[in-house]
Amino acid sequence: QSVLTQPPSASGTPGQRVTISCSGSSSNIGSNTVNWYQQLPGAAPKLLIYSNNQRPSGVPDRFSGSKSGTSASLAISGLQSEDEADYYCSAWDDSLNWVFGGGTKLTVL
Amino acid sequence: EVQLVESGGGLVQPGGSLRLSCAASGFSFSSYTMNWVRQAPGKGLEWVSYISSSSTTKYYTDSVKGRFTISRDNAKNSLYLQMNSLRAEDTAVYHCARDLREWGYYYMDVWGKGTTVTVPS
Repeated sequence: QSVLTQPPSASGTPGQRVTISCSGSSSNIGSNTVNWYQQLPGAAPKLLIYSNNQRPSGVPDRFSGSKSGTSASLAISGLQSEDEADYYCSAWDDSLNWVFGGGTKLTVL
Repeated sequence: EVQLVESGGGLVQPGGSLRLSCAASGFSFSSYTMNWVRQAPGKGLEWVSYISSSSTTKYYTDSVKGRFTISRDNAKNSLYLQMNSLRAEDTAVYHCARDLREWGYYYMDVWGKGTTVTVPS
């Protein structure tokens, strides 16, 4: 049982916009920033969004993040086949540990 | 190029021990806090342990407290995880990850590909 709650799956067709939600609590998302990671099959996780809505260098602006209260979301616009991956939200928890969502498997139809 | 490379994984019997290593390159290792994060087969990411840049602060997830010990050698640009009393539920790919904390923002920005630990049931 993950501390942060994400839908197990999401899907969309090429060119569509999809969103993935992440719900937490006052001790994690409510008081700290949210990060998103993309994990392609067989690969290491890759930082996709940090500090709620910041993109590291090299991440396309099709990816965006937002946060409100104890929830956050990742949006992917102009969906592409190479976006098919697992996506994880994460935040630092005030009980002195990192917490993750259970992951969302994104399928491009 | 900033890089983290894990090693030391393998097959170990329940109750056994293993020491994982993570070699860092391309950045000033001694300036960064570090983490171990694991991923059981077909499951999601689970944070395991954290160590501050000078080793003064260490945190662990509850399930490994008293069994795992995180350490680092800044002179060798290396991070370690000593794993004792291993259980089947410790079976996972173990990643090391660089931890950034600036301006109140916390995130893990660089990850290694991982090393696999298998503990049969």
